[in-house]
Amino acid sequence: AQTVTQSQPEMSVQEAETVTLSCTYDTSENNYYLFWYKQPPSRQMILVIRQEAYKQQNATENRFSVNFQKAAKSFSLKISDSQLGDTAMYFCAFTPGGATNKLIFGTGTLLAVQP
Amino acid sequence: DVKVTQSSRYLVKRTGEKVFLECVQDMDHENMFWYRQDPGLGLRLIYFSYDVKMKEKGDIPEGYSVSREKKERFSLILESASTNQTSMYLCASSQGQGSGYTEAFFGQGTRLTVV
Repeated sequence: AQTVTQSQPEMSVQEAETVTLSCTYDTSENNYYLFWYKQPPSRQMILVIRQEAYKQQNATENRFSVNFQKAAKSFSLKISDSQLGDTAMYFCAFTPGGATNKLIFGTGTLLAVQP
Repeated sequence: DVKVTQSSRYLVKRTGEKVFLECVQDMDHENMFWYRQDPGLGLRLIYFSYDVKMKEKGDIPEGYSVSREKKERFSLILESASTNQTSMYLCASSQGQGSGYTEAFFGQGTRLTVV
């Protein structure tokens, strides 16, 4: 079965500090995609960053970067210079690609950025 | 601006009622998804569709059905609403196979309460 595991239900970080959210997944596929989504209190789910499994280079989007370890099936999100607006639920997600692009989510990590 | 629109933000229904949740996307996406979101459980896939009139069961299809008569519209149907179906429901859409870019776009969510 394809699963996504986020082992940190809640995390807290001080403003301007760096925080890392963990994610592991399980799949027998070789080509797939990984995502981090953010859901702020407004409920609108938005994409933070994505990674294609065939790319060895870790993805980066401004203050957000990932540490993708394919052999370990690990996909962590690092947020640098945390801002109050980063307070949200963060979901790790995985899609095996292919015809249906089924998207599987983890249980989420609630991140609170403290002033 | 790309958009996924869910017909209601809040909905209150009575036990035993037939409930329709509507979702429309304007991006000509092949894939559409219905998830339910519950605290501590993340997003769980109910059904998804990869083409008009095509559907596949997700992880928790019991008590639900779906309809996709047109490419842009994906409806979730609760045949006989029960209190354990009280939840947040999220609709999403994404491009299909071969696009290489499978980001999902989400609606605002519908908070359904069954009394």
